[in-house]
Order: sequence, then C-alpha cells, then structure tokens
Amino acid sequence: GNSVTQMEGPVTLSEEAFLTINCTYTATGYPSLFWYVQYPGEGLQLLLKATKADDKGSNKGFEATYRKETTSFHLEKGSVQVSDSAVYFCALSDSNYQLIWGAGTKLIIKP
Amino acid sequence: EAEVAQSPRYKITEKSQAVAFWCDPISGHATLYWYRQILGQGPELLVQFQDESVVDDSQLPKDRFSAERLKGVDSTLKIQPAELGDSAMYLCASSLGLFTEAFFGQGTRLTVV
Repeated sequence: GNSVTQMEGPVTLSEEAFLTINCTYTATGYPSLFWYVQYPGEGLQLLLKATKADDKGSNKGFEATYRKETTSFHLEKGSVQVSDSAVYFCALSDSNYQLIWGAGTKLIIKP
Repeated sequence: EAEVAQSPRYKITEKSQAVAFWCDPISGHATLYWYRQILGQGPELLVQFQDESVVDDSQLPKDRFSAERLKGVDSTLKIQPAELGDSAMYLCASSLGLFTEAFFGQGTRLTVV
C-alpha cells in the first residue's frame, strides 16, 4: 500500500541555519503531497502542498518540490527562527480518498 | 475563513463513563475524518466518511467506539465505556475530496481518570 517516510527527529538547529526535512513516498498513480505543521498544544495546520510532478509548494519561507523521479517531497527553509520550532508532518492524498501520514519530525530551534 | 468546528475543547471523564465529541466540517466538504493523536505521535485515523457513508473504519475499536454522520454534514464520535488508555487528542478534519488537503479543527483533549 501507499506510505510516507520522514526523517526521524528531533532535528536541532541554531537560529538562521538552513533546514531540510526529508520525506519520501510510495504510491501508485499521482498523489497530492502536503506538509503540515503542529505547534505545541495546537492542531494540525497545512503548511504547503503540491499536486503534480515538479510543482513547488511554498509558504512562510518554507518550500518543497514534488519530485516524481525520486518520489520525494523534502521540506526546506533557508533561515529558521525560534518560532519555527514545531512538529512537521509529510502526507499524501491518493486516488482512494486516503490521507497517508508520515510519523512526524520534531524541529527544535535554539537561539 | 471557514473552519472545522469541534466541541468540547477539553473533556475530563471517569473511566467506564460515556463521552461524545462533535464536529462540524467546512461547508461543502464531502470527506470527514476522525483522528486520535497521542502526545508526541502522528495522527491515527479512526474513521473516514465520504458524505454519510463510512469508507474506512478499520482502526476504530468498534467494541467501544462509534461514529455517525447522519445527514452527511456534522459528525459525532462516541466512546462507551471510556478507558484510561483513551486519553488523547481527538482531531476532526474535512476535505473536498480526491487529492485535496484536509483542514483540521482545534481538537478535543480527552482525559480519562
């Protein structure tokens, strides 16, 4: 079946460092891909999305490109802030109406 | 901006009691999800509706959990009887359908004592 694999956390960085959180997927067909963010004590928020190959989703300085050849959707940010500390989830939506989730990656940014 | 509404935000109940959660999805969203999330973990799908029909309840503990979406709009998730291990965040989400993102409510934090 379809699946999503994320890099394990926690990922700890200093403020202004470059961020990459890896996400790869297994799916038949052409799923849509998403990154969600969950701040402490809050619900899940959509961060960005991409619906077809080579699409780049972007929001709040974060970017991710839908790479069909490598089945990847890595999340990147050029300069992280303390306020970016959260848990990040990669997910896909497939042709069976299923939403498949990665395990989440906790990001800790130190000042 | 349209939101998914959930109530209550917090619920404390004694074990063996019944508890119910309510969710009102974004208007026009045919797909509705109920998730359970334990602190530090990812969301676990309990049940998924397409309009009023259940399309996936394979992870729903059916001996104690039930869910309904009678008119294909709002939904209720019930636990009876509640157990200590049910303490978690219960999240409702909705989406337009195929290949679209899900929008989440703020969740209900359940504590069973």
